[in-house]
Amino acid sequence: QVQLAESGGGVVQPGGSLRLSCTASGITFSSHGFHWVRQAPGKGLEWVAFIQYDGSNKYYVDSVKGRFTISRDNSKKTLYLQMNYLRAEDTAVYFCAKDGPLVATIYGVFEYWGLGTVVTVSS
Amino acid sequence: EIVLTQSPATLSLSPGERATLSCRASQSVSSYLAWYQHRPGQGPRLLIYETSKRATDIPARFTGSGSGTDFTLTISSLEPEDFAVYYCQQRSNWPPFTFGPGTKVEIK
Repeated sequence: QVQLAESGGGVVQPGGSLRLSCTASGITFSSHGFHWVRQAPGKGLEWVAFIQYDGSNKYYVDSVKGRFTISRDNSKKTLYLQMNYLRAEDTAVYFCAKDGPLVATIYGVFEYWGLGTVVTVSS
Repeated sequence: EIVLTQSPATLSLSPGERATLSCRASQSVSSYLAWYQHRPGQGPRLLIYETSKRATDIPARFTGSGSGTDFTLTISSLEPEDFAVYYCQQRSNWPPFTFGPGTKVEIK
């Protein structure tokens, strides 16, 4: 079955950096796009970023543009989210999610999700 | 940006009862609406996409309907594992992909 596992979360000071990872199993990783979605404490879900199956196209929510970078290493079946210039409002559980369920350049539905990794931005 | 609103915020029901959740879009999203279930400590789970298509292994008690700006998720008979938060999400106009604020289905 499809499994996604996020890691790399932690506590960081405002202005600091963190890199999240998401490893995938049970799928042909290189054939699918992936998203990052976050959930701030007590809040709902917010889409953060998407990367196409081959890394050629990337999209971001406005609030993270210029600070976050999504990337992938298909040989390692791993998705990344490099987060720089972190702010208190970036505090959240970060989920990676597989785009699907139909194979497309970008479908825009979050077919499978990991359990998430917690990022806390605080001094 | 398309804004999604969900009602009610909380639904208090007993196992075996029918749940009806609503999602309204600030502009038409055609049929490009999905529903997710989120239990505490887990990742969200895709239930419905394209308004009414059940995702893999989703039980038939979950049904989606609607079009344009008004959508409904119906759970015909609540099972204990169905008590959770439910989100709608649109993929009609992006970026960004947007979610509704969620409806919590709690045990009465």
